[in-house]
Amino acid sequence: GENVEQHPSTLSVQEGDSAVIKCTYSDSASNYFPWYKQELGKRPQLIIDIRSNVGEKKDQRIAVTLNKTAKHFSLHITETQPEDSAVYFCAAKAAGNKLTFGGGTRVLVKP
Amino acid sequence: DSGVTQTPKHLITATGQRVTLRCSPRSGDLSVYWYQQSLDQGLQFLIQYYNGEERAKGNILERFSAQQFPDLHSELNLSSLELGDSALYFCASSPRQGGGTDTQYFGPGTRLTVL
Repeated sequence: GENVEQHPSTLSVQEGDSAVIKCTYSDSASNYFPWYKQELGKRPQLIIDIRSNVGEKKDQRIAVTLNKTAKHFSLHITETQPEDSAVYFCAAKAAGNKLTFGGGTRVLVKP
Repeated sequence: DSGVTQTPKHLITATGQRVTLRCSPRSGDLSVYWYQQSLDQGLQFLIQYYNGEERAKGNILERFSAQQFPDLHSELNLSSLELGDSALYFCASSPRQGGGTDTQYFGPGTRLTVL
């Protein structure tokens, strides 16, 4: 089945700097890659997603890139703010219905 | 607010007991997914139902079972509870069967504590 690896597991950045989280997946049939943000004790919230026919997608300070050949995708957060502090999960979906999540990255933005 | 509701919000019970968690999907969504999130762990997919039928199965223990009712709400039943079952249980819903780019929206979760 699909396996998703996520790095780093923790990331500390200064406010205003950029944060980058990387994920790799194993199933070349995967065609959908969402990113979720989870604040402590709350539900995962979809922040951005990308389909396999697109290489890059941007939404304000958040961008996601996909390299299908290398089977990896990344989340980029620019001009980080304290409210960006949370756990971020990447996920991948191959043929079928199962969404496989990475292990999560705890991001801390220091003011 | 995602539109997915879950009850109860918190549940405290003892080992060996049985509990039922309830989920109502977003209006119009036909698929319901259940996930388990243990302390400092990622999201583990348990099971998916689509329009009343089981559609996909993940790492769900035999002590756990689920169903989706005609009104599309779903229940996750956990029996013979063990300390290790303590976790956040999330329900998510999506409009269709879940294939392709069907986006999943998560509910607020039920925090289960087994003492």
